[in-house]
Amino acid sequence: SQQGEEDPQALSIQEGENATMNCSYKTSINNLQWYRQNSGRGLVHLILIRSNEREKHSGRLRVTLDTSKKSSSLLITASRAADTASYFCAGGSNGSGNTGKLIFGQGTTLQVKP
Amino acid sequence: NAGVMQNPRHLVRRRGQEARLRCSPMKGHSHVYWYRQLPEEGLKFMVYLQKENIIDESGMPKERFSAEFPKEGPSILRIQQVVRGDSAAYFCASSPVPVAKNIQYFGAGTRLSVL
Repeated sequence: SQQGEEDPQALSIQEGENATMNCSYKTSINNLQWYRQNSGRGLVHLILIRSNEREKHSGRLRVTLDTSKKSSSLLITASRAADTASYFCAGGSNGSGNTGKLIFGQGTTLQVKP
Repeated sequence: NAGVMQNPRHLVRRRGQEARLRCSPMKGHSHVYWYRQLPEEGLKFMVYLQKENIIDESGMPKERFSAEFPKEGPSILRIQQVVRGDSAAYFCASSPVPVAKNIQYFGAGTRLSVL
């Protein structure tokens, strides 16, 4: 079954505003990762947060993880038109037979208007 | 260091034909993952391979789909007797180590269209 559920499914903001996307997951994880996908392209890794971390920053990105609620959020500050893309969370499971496969959410489509 | 290379980028097949999708992992990576993305959906895990071994194929359909990662050459995802429902984007990812705490590096994908 799908690991992650993301909301909102679609988000439209003006350039310069902040964008917040949320992700919930069902099973135990070693880490939670966020990826970006531009239309018709592959996925680009953005940031990884481990299960023993609560918050992580990378440039204009801020990720939080709440393992008690099984949820994560991705904040993009001072958004740019180039941030327009789909964003996916993906959990790395720590279940038995840990093979490293990622379980993806359905994604949030972000549109940043210039 | 070239990234994960997938080819072809686009593949058109008629129902009943075979589709072969290729993936060359990043240099030094011996772990390959295949994912399928249906329109407007997230990626779904299909299979995980190391060189010459299938480690986890829990996401692979039981029939018509197979995967290999030979000692020499790229990983191949093979779909026999394609049907319209196989139309999707197929992504390959590679990793230097298999454990879940590692980042996976994705190729640009192969978009399969079944007519």
